[in-house]
Amino acid sequence: NAGVTQTPKFQVLKTGQSMTLQCAQDMNHNSMYWYRQDPGMGLRLIYYSASEGTTDKGEVPNGYNVSRLNKREFSLRLESAAPSQTSVYFCASSESWSGQGPQHFGDGTRLSIL
Amino acid sequence: AQKITQTQPGMFVQEKEAVTLDCTYDTSDQSYGLFWYKQPSSGEMIFLIYQGSYDEQNATEGRYSLNFQKARKSANLVISASQLGDSAMYFCAMRVVGYSSASKIIFGSGTRLSIRP
Repeated sequence: NAGVTQTPKFQVLKTGQSMTLQCAQDMNHNSMYWYRQDPGMGLRLIYYSASEGTTDKGEVPNGYNVSRLNKREFSLRLESAAPSQTSVYFCASSESWSGQGPQHFGDGTRLSIL
Repeated sequence: AQKITQTQPGMFVQEKEAVTLDCTYDTSDQSYGLFWYKQPSSGEMIFLIYQGSYDEQNATEGRYSLNFQKARKSANLVISASQLGDSAMYFCAMRVVGYSSASKIIFGSGTRLSIRP
């Protein structure tokens, strides 16, 4: 009963390096989301995908790209990491784009940029 | 502008007392939804309760209830008979419609609840 799975759980990067955070859900959900959570703060939406084949910018999209690879998978890419992107990244999914139900979250990826 | 406001950064409550966590929201949408999530120190996000804007009854889930006052645009979380395990960060969130008519959820800044034995 995995739910939403994020990999990796921890990562340390140097400034300028690139990496992709992976997210997969096994609940057959249509919509998927990427958030970042900075210390002592709430979650801010980076990008979301209402359904397979569509993506939209959230509140803080700069410096990130996303790919909705298929219905199950939604990846987040940092092309040139910056220290300001040090954060905890959460992936989430929900059953429908209308958002009637709750979002289900992964356990997060703790990313540090040196 | 669509916004969620949680004005209590931190609260201390005695075990077994009831506690109310405040949340106000701002939206011009007629159809919206309000959520509460719990984030323990381990970091995971746990869904607690949901209230739709057209729901006439306040939502309840076990010890959690949502005090929905539409005219005041408030959606306070009430936890009855608090327990030590309730110590966590609590986030209020709202579903809004994005540019492509798809929904997204925005979060408040959170309230850290600490339960005293």
